[in-house]
Amino acid sequence: QQQVKQSPQSLIVQKGGISIINCAYENTAFDYFPWYQQFPGKGPALLIAIRPDVSEKKEGRFTISFNKSAKQFSLHIMDSQPGDSATYFCAARSTGYGKLTFGQGTILTVHP
Amino acid sequence: DAGVIQSPRHEVTEMGQEVTLRCKPISGHNSLFWYRQTMMRGLELLIYFNNNVPIDDSGMPEDRFSAKMPNASFSTLKIQPSEPRDSAVYFCASSLAHSSGFGQGTRLTVV
Repeated sequence: QQQVKQSPQSLIVQKGGISIINCAYENTAFDYFPWYQQFPGKGPALLIAIRPDVSEKKEGRFTISFNKSAKQFSLHIMDSQPGDSATYFCAARSTGYGKLTFGQGTILTVHP
Repeated sequence: DAGVIQSPRHEVTEMGQEVTLRCKPISGHNSLFWYRQTMMRGLELLIYFNNNVPIDDSGMPEDRFSAKMPNASFSTLKIQPSEPRDSAVYFCASSLAHSSGFGQGTRLTVV
């Protein structure tokens, strides 16, 4: 059962542009929403995360927007750089033991 | 901190052979997760432990898969017998509250 749906599957952006990746969840028993960045041959690395009682969190060029009523959250990458080219996963953490449910991933390509 | 350590990084084996993947979680973390990543299915949770106890193994695809966590600093994922469709990258992750980390993964190829 896919509880976290992510879109788009792939995204191409020009250097300096804004990259936007969207996720929607179904289960309300999630207490934490992280985004992971994965480069080829590497494990996912935590990029930024948000709690459901916050509507927005910004860290440098990365911003999460969270809409609790719509059960949606998104990652915005401002001033996208070629070095941002990677696969991005949204996730939702279940209360209790920290189990993460991942979205399907978005392959981001930033052209110079 | 050395992060989550997995071994081996790459494993090539013949169909029918037993494969054992190893994981050392981040010291102090009390939850450990095994994931499988493929192009078709993305990141799938196979099993997770809390305080060395298996909590949910509903993601384990078949009885050919088994996992153990004999102590807080070591876990194994075993596939016996292995099949070509088991070829994937297997990740181990550990966490404590909001602190978490993934290993570099083991790329398994079953020929």
